[in-house]
Amino acid sequence: GIQVEQSPPDLILQEGANSTLRCNFSDSVNNLQWFHQNPWGQLINLFYIPSGTKQNGRLSATTVATERYSLLYISSSQTTDSGVYFCAVDNYKLSFGAGTTVTVRA
Amino acid sequence: DTAVSQTPKYLVTQMGNDKSIKCEQNLGHDTMYWYKQDSKKFLKIMFSYNNKELIINETVPNRFSPKSPDKAHLNLHINSLELGDSAVYFCASSQVAGGGDGYTFGSGTRLTVV
Repeated sequence: GIQVEQSPPDLILQEGANSTLRCNFSDSVNNLQWFHQNPWGQLINLFYIPSGTKQNGRLSATTVATERYSLLYISSSQTTDSGVYFCAVDNYKLSFGAGTTVTVRA
Repeated sequence: DTAVSQTPKYLVTQMGNDKSIKCEQNLGHDTMYWYKQDSKKFLKIMFSYNNKELIINETVPNRFSPKSPDKAHLNLHINSLELGDSAVYFCASSQVAGGGDGYTFGSGTRLTVV
């Protein structure tokens, strides 16, 4: 199956800092999704991004499908951004990476 | 209104018991899923149903049996529970198989087998 690798595994940020999370995948995919799992365990779909760039508030994502990677940018981080960020390749089922645990400190 | 609701939220049970987790979605989606999240937070698909028809069965032990009475409901029954079944189980739905731009996850059921 498709391998999905995320880096870094852990990230500690001071409130207001910017950061980039990376997702590499081993094969071509129909679709790529980014999710945020908040500290209460809820999984929220952030982006559906098979290619190109999308922005939603302080978050944006870029997928370069030909080079098999996607990036998630967090700008001006806030404590509410804490949690685990997952990317998942979507070939009629989601294959998740191991996640990046983000901790934003006030 | 909760879009994807799972019950119960917490389940503590002894080894060898049989238990069920229920899931309902009110989004009108055609496809529903069960995912398992282990203690290291790794998420893996278990099953997928499209319009009540099983389309993905991801090498899950046959002690796990999903049932979809209609396209708004997908239940998970687990027989002879084992310690290794302890995990968080998430139900999800999407408009179409393959998700497109819309996966909605339930809040999860934390199963603890003692």
